[in-house]
Amino acid sequence: AQTVTQSQPEMSVQEAETVTLSCTYDTSESDYYLFWYKQPPSRQMILVIRQEAYKQQNATENRFSVNFQKAAKSFSLKISDSQLGDAAMYFCASNTGNQFYFGTGTSLTVIP
Amino acid sequence: ETGVTQTPRHLVMGMTNKKSLKCEQHLGHNAMYWYKQSAKKPLELMFVYSLEERVENNSVPSRFSPECPNSSHLFLHLHTLQPEDSALYLCASSQGRRGNPNYGYTFGSGTRLTVV
Repeated sequence: AQTVTQSQPEMSVQEAETVTLSCTYDTSESDYYLFWYKQPPSRQMILVIRQEAYKQQNATENRFSVNFQKAAKSFSLKISDSQLGDAAMYFCASNTGNQFYFGTGTSLTVIP
Repeated sequence: ETGVTQTPRHLVMGMTNKKSLKCEQHLGHNAMYWYKQSAKKPLELMFVYSLEERVENNSVPSRFSPECPNSSHLFLHLHTLQPEDSALYLCASSQGRRGNPNYGYTFGSGTRLTVV
């Protein structure tokens, strides 16, 4: 089975600054997908960004980008120009076939 | 409109009660899932339905009983639950053959269940 590790239970960032959330995973598969999900207080988990493991180019979505290091099995999320609305739990996840594995989450606080 | 709607939003039930959670998706997805979310633990996959057929059941106790009458609706029937079953129950859907969610899930907002 795969494991996904988020070593930072809590993080904080000043508004307009940049923050990086860490994620490592363990898989023996060569074909897989990686995701970051955001869960605000409304509780709905929202897909932030998706990376295909066979693509070397790092995925970006507006202020959100990833640093995908396949050899190191690392998949960190960078949030630039942080906004108050970015405050939420962030979950890293990996997918192989029909198996989805989630980390335990990082709680992000944005300080005005 | 999130595309995946869960009701009720909150539920308090006694250990001898029977209740049901409902999930509805309007995205045309062909797979639906039940997850259990507990504090400080990874999401736990409970059930997977693909094209209305249950394709996965992760050793969930029989006090949880899923039902998928069609590709848009998913239920989780609850009976004789235990206090440790208190959690957030999330429904999700995805597009892909036999529940292969390579493009990720769309989640509902969950039902916060408290068993007293």
